[in-house]
Amino acid sequence: NAGVMQNPRHLVRRRGQEARLRCSPMKGHSHVYWYRQLPEEGLKFMVYLQKENIIDESGMPKERFSAEFPKEGPSILRIQQVVRGDSAAYFCASSPYGRNTEAFFGQGTRLTVV
Amino acid sequence: DQQVKQNSPSLSVQEGRISILNCDYTNSMFDYFLWYKKYPAEGPTFLISISSIKDKNEDGRFTVFLNKSAKHLSLHIVPSQPGDSAVYFCAASVSGAGSYQLTFGKGTKLSVIP
Repeated sequence: NAGVMQNPRHLVRRRGQEARLRCSPMKGHSHVYWYRQLPEEGLKFMVYLQKENIIDESGMPKERFSAEFPKEGPSILRIQQVVRGDSAAYFCASSPYGRNTEAFFGQGTRLTVV
Repeated sequence: DQQVKQNSPSLSVQEGRISILNCDYTNSMFDYFLWYKKYPAEGPTFLISISSIKDKNEDGRFTVFLNKSAKHLSLHIVPSQPGDSAVYFCAASVSGAGSYQLTFGKGTKLSVIP
């Protein structure tokens, strides 16, 4: 039973480009969460999704960031027109139920904006 | 405004001795607390949790203590092993329906010296 899979592990983008981060939850998990970790900081909640629905996006920046979890395929975190401040590690977690406390984390995508 | 604080960025402990990691929180709505362990370039791994109806939870070498009146929790690792060297994050949540965010502290880097 594979764990939460995130790809790519490392992503380099120039300022102004788009970044797409993918997350495949564990088998049987229909709840996905995205967190961001800035250097020297803890993880900060961004968004919580179920299949085809955004449940809580209170941690998402208002502009340039969007997330989806389609009926088929991985969850996608999309950052448009990236800036240097977007450089961070982005972690995805999944759970079988709507309880964040039972979530399992992926290895993360390290985004570097140059 | 940090709602979960880990005031010690680092801690060094001799192998075989006890490691005590501390965490304070300010939000009185938090009623579920977790500790995660994180190795470099990996995602957080769940260690142990505690509900606010308890003041202690034990799992093998790991024990979490919760002092609700002081809004303080601690993780005890006994005996400490070199493989325990990692960054430990304290996290908290409000377990009511619809509240699925985890709020993380900044982490404490534990080094266990052989």
